[in-house]
Amino acid sequence: KAGVTQTPRYLIKTRGQQVTLSCSPISGHRSVSWYQQTPGQGLQFLFEYFSETQRNKGNFPGRFSGRQFSNSRSEMNVSTLELGDSALYLCASSSQGGDTNEKLFFGSGTQLSVL
Amino acid sequence: ELKVEQNPLFLSMQEGKNYTIYCNYSTTSDRLYWYRQDPGKSLESLFVLLSNGAVKQEGRLMASLDTKARLSTLHITAAVHDLSATYFCAVNFGNEKLTFGTGTRLTIIP
Repeated sequence: KAGVTQTPRYLIKTRGQQVTLSCSPISGHRSVSWYQQTPGQGLQFLFEYFSETQRNKGNFPGRFSGRQFSNSRSEMNVSTLELGDSALYLCASSSQGGDTNEKLFFGSGTQLSVL
Repeated sequence: ELKVEQNPLFLSMQEGKNYTIYCNYSTTSDRLYWYRQDPGKSLESLFVLLSNGAVKQEGRLMASLDTKARLSTLHITAAVHDLSATYFCAVNFGNEKLTFGTGTRLTIIP
């Protein structure tokens, strides 16, 4: 069974640009969560999608957005990039997600560098 | 505020020694997770602890949960080099997301 797949693996952008990251969950998983990992702030929750609906959102500005498609694949978008957006963006999937006891399966992440 | 704190942040151990990583959290929860992350890699799930007194063991790692003390421990027995990694605990506070600890970077020295 294939794991969580994130593309691209690395991205370099400049300030003011926008970027789209992609995540394909494990087959059959309907919940996709996104996390940002930085050395200073650690791992922080961005948002979670289930059946194409955003169920929960973390404390990030509106420049961070996402969506989920009918096949459960998810994308996140960051507009007007800032230097502080440089981070490893991790996607995680689970069967039901939300307020359940399931563990999350994480992808390898997309390393975003903003210059 | 929902907070998860780990200590120590950095830990260097000699092979063969035992040590414990601590995870404290701020508010009642009975859902705690331990993850491992190797440099440049993703997070690998180690343990899921879902009740007070829960204990899980896998190889040289053993995790426990005390919900009354809001404390989880990850105990390493007779450490080997392969265990060098960063270990994270994460708590589900019932708000449909995980709040992660700061991580403990573990280095096993031969």
